[in-house]
This record gives sequence, C-alpha cells and structure tokens, in this order.
Amino acid sequence: RKEVEQDPGPFNVPEGATVAFNCTYSNSASQSFFWYRQDCRKEPKLLMSVYSSGNEDGRFTAQLNRASQYISLLIRDSKLSDSATYLCAVNIGGYSTLTFGKGTMLLVSP
Amino acid sequence: GAGVSQSPSNKVTEKGKDVELRCDPISGHTALYWYRQRLGQGLEFLIYFQGNSAPDKSGLPSDRFSAERTGESVSTLTIQRTQQEDSAVYLCASSLGFGQPQHFGDGTRLSIL
Repeated sequence: RKEVEQDPGPFNVPEGATVAFNCTYSNSASQSFFWYRQDCRKEPKLLMSVYSSGNEDGRFTAQLNRASQYISLLIRDSKLSDSATYLCAVNIGGYSTLTFGKGTMLLVSP
Repeated sequence: GAGVSQSPSNKVTEKGKDVELRCDPISGHTALYWYRQRLGQGLEFLIYFQGNSAPDKSGLPSDRFSAERTGESVSTLTIQRTQQEDSAVYLCASSLGFGQPQHFGDGTRLSIL
C-alpha cells in the first residue's frame, strides 16, 4: 500500500455543487495533515491544515478519520475558480518531512 | 514578509551541461525542501535540510544531483551533466519546522535540449 493515496479524478462538477475528496495514509502514527491546491503550471499553495476535531474555512471543510486513516476535503457551493488539483500532505510517522499525494483534479463547469 | 524565492524562473540548457538552481526560503524557516515535478506528475521529493544539514538525501535520483545550504538560508541544487530526463519543474519549499506546513516557491522550469 502506498504511503499516501488519492483518487486522481478528474471530478467534474457543475457550479454550486458540493464535492468531497479523500486521502488515505498508511502509517497510523502520522500526526500532521494538510490540504494544498495546485493550479495548472503553478506551485502548490497551502489551502488548510487538518485538525483532529475537523475544521472549516469558508466553503471548505477538512476532516480527519484516524480509525480509517484518511482525511477529507469538502467543498461547498463550488466556483469555477475552484478548478485545480488538490494535494494532501501527511507527516508520516518516523519521518521528518511531509509526504504528498499525487493529487485529485477538480473541474468545475458553468 | 517575502515568500520563498527561486531563481532562475526558467532555464534552458544543452544536454551535458551543469546547472545550478537557487532557493531563498522564508526568513526564519529552519527546514528547506527540494522537489521535482515532471509534467502531469506528482511531487517527487529530492532532499531536505534542517539548518545547513541534510539528514535525508534518499530522494536524489543519481550522483549527478547535489545540494547544499549555507547560513541556514539560501540553498543551491546542482545537476551535473544534465540529461533530457532531468527536464522538469524544480520546486523549493520551506517550513518553520518538521510537521509544519511547507510553503513553496514558484519553481524553476528546467528544459534540457
């Protein structure tokens, strides 16, 4: 099993839809979790950290499920500008750096 | 303050030449990371620094790749005798410490002819 896995997509949704992505991780000792957004031919940008109790930032909600070893990102009321690739990043226990998933592509259409 | 700065933004060179890529991290960030991203692919971890030391060099793809960091600040990634498969975007990131979110520079787009 890969350390961090994401469905590559693409997820095609209309404007206004709610969409959710999951990211599974293999090491139960993982402690830090993040979601990044990467636009085409741009660098990844931090979207939000993921806290144990779950957290929300506007239309974005991040959750952690330790029992099943995955994190999720929920986007409500999708905008055209949300079209991007969403990367999860996990601090794999015993390592000192983050391990990134390969990303899930989201395409929001009018 | 300023974000992570990388230079050059673009580099085109002939196969067999050496290239140096530079990264200026966010001031005060002790950890610095290098990644490679080929077109349409995910991030490939290359190396990270804690201060000026590189505890993990496992991601460097071959001995043609090396990196150093000085003054707990600027880092240089050097690729010797470049090959066409080295063509990619090289991204640098920095963070306050391990487990902390990483902040990326704009990257250097390297093209080997």
